Amino acid sequence: EVQLVESGGGLVQPGGSLRLSCAASGFTVSSNYMSWVRQAPGKGLEWVSVIYSGGSTYYADSVKGRFTISRDNSKNTLYLQMNSLRAEDTAVYYCAREWYSSGWYLDYWGQGTLVTVSS
Amino acid sequence: SSELTQDPAVSVALGQTVRITCQGDSLRSYYASWYQQKPGQAPVLVIYGKNNRPSGIPDRFSGSSSGNTASLTITGAQAEDEADYYCNSRDSSGNHGVFGGGTKLTVL
Repeated sequence: EVQLVESGGGLVQPGGSLRLSCAASGFTVSSNYMSWVRQAPGKGLEWVSVIYSGGSTYYADSVKGRFTISRDNSKNTLYLQMNSLRAEDTAVYYCAREWYSSGWYLDYWGQGTLVTVSS
Repeated sequence: SSELTQDPAVSVALGQTVRITCQGDSLRSYYASWYQQKPGQAPVLVIYGKNNRPSGIPDRFSGSSSGNTASLTITGAQAEDEADYYCNSRDSSGNHGVFGGGTKLTVL
């Protein structure tokens, strides 16, 4: 059974850092495209970042230069290192697996972890 | 353009058919995928590709695409279909994801 479990969220002050984790089971993270998606309170979904199986990484303009996506193959875990956090980064952060079959789509999602940036 | 545009809200009478649309230039190159999200829950994939449903998604959900517009159709809407629906695709670069703003579906 495929499962994604996020952790690492919490309250952090503006300018601070936080690292989110996404532990996967039922498939190999390094063999798949993995994404982070966030949702601010009462708002819609926002794509944040993706890491390809080959290691290439891409970011939304809103987080580029501040966030870093990575993975630990030995732990089968995806990460999102978030630096220089701002109030507008407050959101539930979801990790998701991206798959391709007649188009790209996010087929498995974690339950999300809440990040609150506030003083 | 890297934007996908959805109507903010749509309503449908119980048992009737409703179409939710998503517009964007990138849809001329990439299929949209569709996600259902209920309050307090993670999004769930309901349609991907040309018109594919994951296992467990009722066949009243279907998808279509024409030009720069993708559509999600629910034929015979049920009370449990009341939710927010989001479209998603790649942007014109092919390396960034993009979501529509979401459509809140109310079943009357």
